[in-house]
Amino acid sequence: DAGVTQSPTHLIKTRGQQVTLRCSPKSGHDTVSWYQQALGQGPQFIFQYYEEEERQRGNFPDRFSGHQFPNYSSELNVNALLLGDSALYLCASSPLGGRNSPLHFGNGTRLTVT
Amino acid sequence: DAKTTQPPSMDCAEGRAANLPCNHSTISGNEYVYWYRQIHSQGPQYIIHGLKNNETNEMASLIITEDRKSSTLILPHATLRDTAVYYCIVWAAVNKLTFGGGTRVLVKP
Repeated sequence: DAGVTQSPTHLIKTRGQQVTLRCSPKSGHDTVSWYQQALGQGPQFIFQYYEEEERQRGNFPDRFSGHQFPNYSSELNVNALLLGDSALYLCASSPLGGRNSPLHFGNGTRLTVT
Repeated sequence: DAKTTQPPSMDCAEGRAANLPCNHSTISGNEYVYWYRQIHSQGPQYIIHGLKNNETNEMASLIITEDRKSSTLILPHATLRDTAVYYCIVWAAVNKLTFGGGTRVLVKP
């Protein structure tokens, strides 16, 4: 049973470019969340998708957008990259069941903006 | 979601129990206590969670005080592979975790 898979594992972009990160949730999960983790800090919630719609959003600018597909996989898009967007981007999935359903995380995409 | 307070770091001897404290004095009645850990270069890994009662699974035990204002994660026999950052999170909102700084645990031989 595959867990949460993310691609690519590493990515280098230049300031001002756009990037798309991909996530496949754990089998049986229909909700996907994205987190940003800067070096030395805990992960910060970006947004959550369920039924192909953004359901919750953290304190991130509109440059961060996402999409969920009918097969529950998801993409995170970041436009006009800034140096400060360099981070580990984590995808997490869960069945929509509330607080008693632990999130399962992928190993992330390491984005470096130069 | 309520905030948590954890010591920034702690060392533990291999083979001994590791007791990781967490304060969550503003926890509300419907908030669970969750523990995750993050080994270097990996995503956070779920360990255990609880509401009121103590919980145990194959990885760890969770002891929650009667007033629910604090909890302790116990790794019964720490190994070198348990070296990681451990996050204590109180959680009520569906699918949105708020991570603090966590405790950096170093297991020493």
